[in-house]
Amino acid sequence: DAGITQSPRHKVTETGTPVTLRCHQTENHRYMYWYRQDPGHGLRLIHYSYGVKDTDKGEVSDGYSVSRSKTEDFLLTLESATSSQTSVYFCAMGTGVTYEQYFGPGTRLTVT
Amino acid sequence: EDQVTQSPEALRLQEGESSSLNCSYTVSGLRGLFWYRQDPGKGPEFLFTLYSAGEEKEKERLKATLTKKESFLHITAPKPEDSATYLCAVLARNNAGNMLTFGGGTRLMVKP
Repeated sequence: DAGITQSPRHKVTETGTPVTLRCHQTENHRYMYWYRQDPGHGLRLIHYSYGVKDTDKGEVSDGYSVSRSKTEDFLLTLESATSSQTSVYFCAMGTGVTYEQYFGPGTRLTVT
Repeated sequence: EDQVTQSPEALRLQEGESSSLNCSYTVSGLRGLFWYRQDPGKGPEFLFTLYSAGEEKEKERLKATLTKKESFLHITAPKPEDSATYLCAVLARNNAGNMLTFGGGTRLMVKP
């Protein structure tokens, strides 16, 4: 449970403002992922990282960027938030050995 | 394109009434199939990984099985605390980033 955390847990922001969500893990896992979860769409991958400074796009990457300067931190940035980015965002981590992913508690983002 | 379909979307059971959830998948070579449990307002919690057809995994009242086209999550004598959304995900063999494709989930409600 405490191996992966997200901050903030809730955020309300206005359209057009930049937003950064943080994911922090203490397990030294190589892989980290950002998902969004929306009713009717399930969990969809935004971006992922396979090491420090190594990132790649997922299924729904438009409007999002990521950075990973340290193994333990993975940041998701919305450069200019839109109402369509209102969602619950989950971070996950994985070893890349047994392939399962472990999820954080989520961030509920509302763009007004 | 990898696809995962879960059925039913929602399932209501009486306490003690056993049943099964279905996860049908289409993937170009399966590396692993994963089951998660998600409680309202929380991140998905990892339950099982199945790697090959014929494999079975058990945990308390839950048993996961795998064939070449689908997986079942059998729930034996469920209790109200088993109420949650159960998610299925697959990992394709040629997936360099170990990216999971998730199904839409089955919402299970167990009434006392």
